[in-house]
Parts: sequence; C-alpha cells; structure tokens
Amino acid sequence: GIQVEQSPPDLILQEGANSTLRCNFSDSVNNLQWFHQNPWGQLINLFYIPSGTKQNGRLSATTVATERYSLLYISSSQTTDSGVYFCAVGSNAGGTSYGKLTFGQGTILTVHP
Amino acid sequence: DGGITQSPKYLFRKEGQNVTLSCEQNLNHDAMYWYRQDPGQGLRLIYYSQIVNDFQKGDIAEGYSVSREKKESFPLTVTSAQKNPTAFYLCATRKGLQQFFGPGTRLTVL
Repeated sequence: GIQVEQSPPDLILQEGANSTLRCNFSDSVNNLQWFHQNPWGQLINLFYIPSGTKQNGRLSATTVATERYSLLYISSSQTTDSGVYFCAVGSNAGGTSYGKLTFGQGTILTVHP
Repeated sequence: DGGITQSPKYLFRKEGQNVTLSCEQNLNHDAMYWYRQDPGQGLRLIYYSQIVNDFQKGDIAEGYSVSREKKESFPLTVTSAQKNPTAFYLCATRKGLQQFFGPGTRLTVL
C-alpha cells in the first residue's frame, strides 16, 4: 500500500516563529488532507489539497503531486497551534479506493509563549 | 447542531468483555469510517461503510465488528478477540473525498 512519511517528527518553536511541515508519499494520490489534532484528540480539517496551493489565515499548504510531496506552512505561530499535525492521503489505484485514507505518523508541534 | 457524535468519551472494560462504541452523524453523509489511534501513532483504518447495509474490512479489522442499519449510525464492537484493545477510537464521515472526524472514544481495558 501507499506509504506516507512526515517530517520532522517533533518541532519546538517560540511564539511568532514560522515553520514548514513536510509530507512525502510513495504513489500517485487523488486525495490529500492535512489535519490538526488538538490536545483533546479532536482531528480538525485544515486543508483538502490533492494538488496546488491553498491559504487559510496564517496557514497555507502546497501539494506537488508529480513529485509526491506536500508542505504545510504555519506563519506567526501561536501557542494554540500546538498539537499534532497529520497528513493523510488516498489513491484510486484499481478504481476501488472507497475514499480510504492512509495517515502519516504526524508532526508534534509545541509552541512556547 | 450538525456533526458527528461519539459516545462515551471514556470507556473502561474488563478483559474478556465485548464493548460497543457509538458513532452518530446528522450530516447526511453516505460513507462512514472507524479508525484506531495508538499513542504516538497515526490513525489506522478498522472498518468502513459506503452505504447502509454494506461495510468492508479495513487494514486492522481482526477482533472488531460493525453494523450499518441506518445512515446516521455506525457502531463498532470491540470483541474479546481483539488482543490489544486499549486505544483511542475515531469515527469519520466523508463528503466527496474529504473526511470529517468525531471527537473520539478512549477505551481502556483493565
């Protein structure tokens, strides 16, 4: 099956710093989502971005599908950005994906005041 | 209030007992999913359902069972055959290709 690798595994920042999280995947995808898992475990949708670039406030994401990677940018980080960031991908290999997602291991982000 | 609800939030069970986790949605989404998350890990797919009365095994279905009798509901039973059931369980729905998650249930086996 498709492999998903996220880097770095851990990231510690001071409030106000910028960061870039990376997601590499091993095969063609038709689905890529970024999630933020808050300290209570809730997974919050950040972006649905199988290709191209999107921005939402201080967050933006870029997926280069032909090179099999996606980047999540966080600018002017705040303590509330702390948590785990997951990349999840899906492919339509064989035409029977049923919307299945394969998750990376996540990047643990800690933002200090 | 629209969304996905999971209950209970915390669940404790004795070894050898079956337990059922609830997942309800009022988003009118056809597809629903169950994932398991272990500490420090990503999510792994247990079961999924594309439509009422149909469901398929995911990557780690052994020791679990599901039913899909109503569009709104997709309960997960963790049976005594599941060797390491202590985990965080997340239910999701799908619209298009985008998935949306419930708040999760933390199951602890004593």
